[in-house]
Amino acid sequence: GAGVSQSPSNKVTEKGKDVELRCDPISGHTALYWYRQSLGQGLEFLIYFQGNSAPDKSGLPSDRFSAERTGGSVSTLTIQRTQQEDSAVYLCASSLSGGVGNTIYFGEGSWLTVV
Amino acid sequence: AQSVTQLGSHVSVSEGALVLLRCNYSSSVPPYLFWYVQYPNQGLQLLLKYTSAATLVKGINGFEAEFKKSETSFHLTKPSAHMSDAAEYFCAVIPTSGSARQLTFGSGTQLTVLP
Repeated sequence: GAGVSQSPSNKVTEKGKDVELRCDPISGHTALYWYRQSLGQGLEFLIYFQGNSAPDKSGLPSDRFSAERTGGSVSTLTIQRTQQEDSAVYLCASSLSGGVGNTIYFGEGSWLTVV
Repeated sequence: AQSVTQLGSHVSVSEGALVLLRCNYSSSVPPYLFWYVQYPNQGLQLLLKYTSAATLVKGINGFEAEFKKSETSFHLTKPSAHMSDAAEYFCAVIPTSGSARQLTFGSGTQLTVLP
């Protein structure tokens, strides 16, 4: 597609339920990133993929969070046993490669509300 | 670790006035620097980036930023504000060496443009 596509755009879930957030990066982009944006914490890095592997998952806040990428394309961020503090906008981004000067393009985010 | 500071969480300017949004980084080796804009309920859009070429960088929508190593700064400016510039602006850095590939963001500056 023309840009980074994320789904769902909005998700309301009950505390304790699992959620999956999907990201479809720009075609041909090998690098993919997940960020979280919340009022109290700003923009936080979660995980970085190069192809299907994740050389940097240092930002995942707990073992309830996991992510995978298949076929060097679509990625899924899974949050198990959601908590209210997981409420945030989850932003996915991609770049042509992992080169540090490459432009990183962001999707419009998935807004997660845990009630 | 890299960090970036944005002075002023909220900035208000009159339409037609100069826009100045401040960003300072903290690292002994200058990083690559980026400015992103976020309109309400949207993702992040790249305005401009510094990747060690020209120190004065021109971006989209009439914005520009100047890299000043002596001041560890990368302030964003626009000569004349438009109502459509109202948004949140984020400064971000990536180290030029090492294995990190993710952006580290400042806390953001909300720009209000007054008629």
